[in-house]
Amino acid sequence: QSALTQPPSASGSPGQSVTISCTGTSSDIGGYNYVSWYQQHPGKAPKLIIYEASKRPSGVPDRFSGAKSGNTASLTVSGLQAEDEADYYCSSYAGSDSGVFGTGTKVTVL
Amino acid sequence: EVQLVESGGGLVQPGRSLRLSCVASGFTFDDYAMHWVRQVPGKGLEWVSGITWNSGNIGYADSVKGRFTISRDNAKNSLHLQMNSLRAEDTALYYCAKDGGFVTAEYYFDYWGPGILVIVSS
Repeated sequence: QSALTQPPSASGSPGQSVTISCTGTSSDIGGYNYVSWYQQHPGKAPKLIIYEASKRPSGVPDRFSGAKSGNTASLTVSGLQAEDEADYYCSSYAGSDSGVFGTGTKVTVL
Repeated sequence: EVQLVESGGGLVQPGRSLRLSCVASGFTFDDYAMHWVRQVPGKGLEWVSGITWNSGNIGYADSVKGRFTISRDNAKNSLHLQMNSLRAEDTALYYCAKDGGFVTAEYYFDYWGPGILVIVSS
């Protein structure tokens, strides 16, 4: 149950795109399609923005997109807006009735 | 509207026990798996434990296995986390989270409670 690996930080100017990677193993990301992504603003509970690797819950803007290839998942935020500045976490099913989160990425809008 | 409200947190001495509860509303509780996720203030998220709709499958993070016990009462729409032998490193904000998969646990968390703070300190 080692945490999934994410870059500590990412940044972009308004209107630009930023992509965050999430690296795991064949026992978690690579073994299942149960990858999800969360946005967390300071002092708030996390919010689901992507599930099953690439699906968006209703109400989440289509600026947010997810993908998975092998043991790595990614989240792309297109058309960056000021309100996208937050911490982002990936998560995956890790087998044997367990889950695992990523180390988290702080996104800064320049 | 889905609501999850945690309770039972507070300050506890190392080695002692605490029981967290989460009351759910706004959805059919016994159709979904439920989870506990924790976060040390200023740090990342950690999945702690999960339980399927009928308590048939239960899982724990290695860091809490053997010390924490998750349970649910579908008649009362409630989720619990019995935390024994608490350690300083268990200090965190504990979130109750609903699994997004209908009947089948899919380990994505579509609704979260506001969290309840547990502080383990002498």
